[in-house]
Amino acid sequence: GAGVSQSPSNKVTEKGKDVELRCDPISGHTALYWYRQSLGQGLEFLIYFQGNSAPDKSGLPSDRFSAERTGGSVSTLTIQRTQQEDSAVYLCASSLNSISPPGRKLYEQYFGPGTRLTVT
Amino acid sequence: DAKTTQPTSMDCAEGRAANLPCNHSTISGNEYVYWYRQIHSQGPQYIIHGLKNNETNEMASLIITEDRKSSTLILPHATLRDTAVYYCIVRGYAYNQGGKLIFGQGTELSVKP
Repeated sequence: GAGVSQSPSNKVTEKGKDVELRCDPISGHTALYWYRQSLGQGLEFLIYFQGNSAPDKSGLPSDRFSAERTGGSVSTLTIQRTQQEDSAVYLCASSLNSISPPGRKLYEQYFGPGTRLTVT
Repeated sequence: DAKTTQPTSMDCAEGRAANLPCNHSTISGNEYVYWYRQIHSQGPQYIIHGLKNNETNEMASLIITEDRKSSTLILPHATLRDTAVYYCIVRGYAYNQGGKLIFGQGTELSVKP
């Protein structure tokens, strides 16, 4: 079936502008994650959604970053007043429900191809 | 999540087995060992995971030592398409964190003809 899709694949923006990055998870996956990968840096976690709520926003680097998820499906990551240090590949991943009754179970995450953001 | 240590880079001849080691000496009892890889310009790809028993799937085998302080990912017959950065991740469940992945630097595997 279809995997995780992200749009746009590439985005070039001027410093100070706002950008929106979109993620379409795999159908039926209720957990959604955003990560980013900067040149010379590893992959870093940004935010986690379970359904429409975001229990873990601990990785968002500043209050210029926000994300939302509606209808338990599509998610949008918004970066306001972009800075050059925001240049990176932004990756989205989805997985089945991260909580599996009766106990807790972890499911593998499936990643999208990423959005390459360049701030000039 | 426990920290992992991997070699920065490794080479492997095409058709030979690639054995990628990972140390995770501070792993706790309820934490799993996960392996992902990232081929250039693509998103990470799940490979395999295990708790304490050895695991095998169509992509690879995972050998976890009895004390669980280290593991080895084995690609039995490496091909040029296996050239990628391989990440070993120790992952546990924490309430309201949903098992986020904490990536280290990984091992850059180069498969050579």
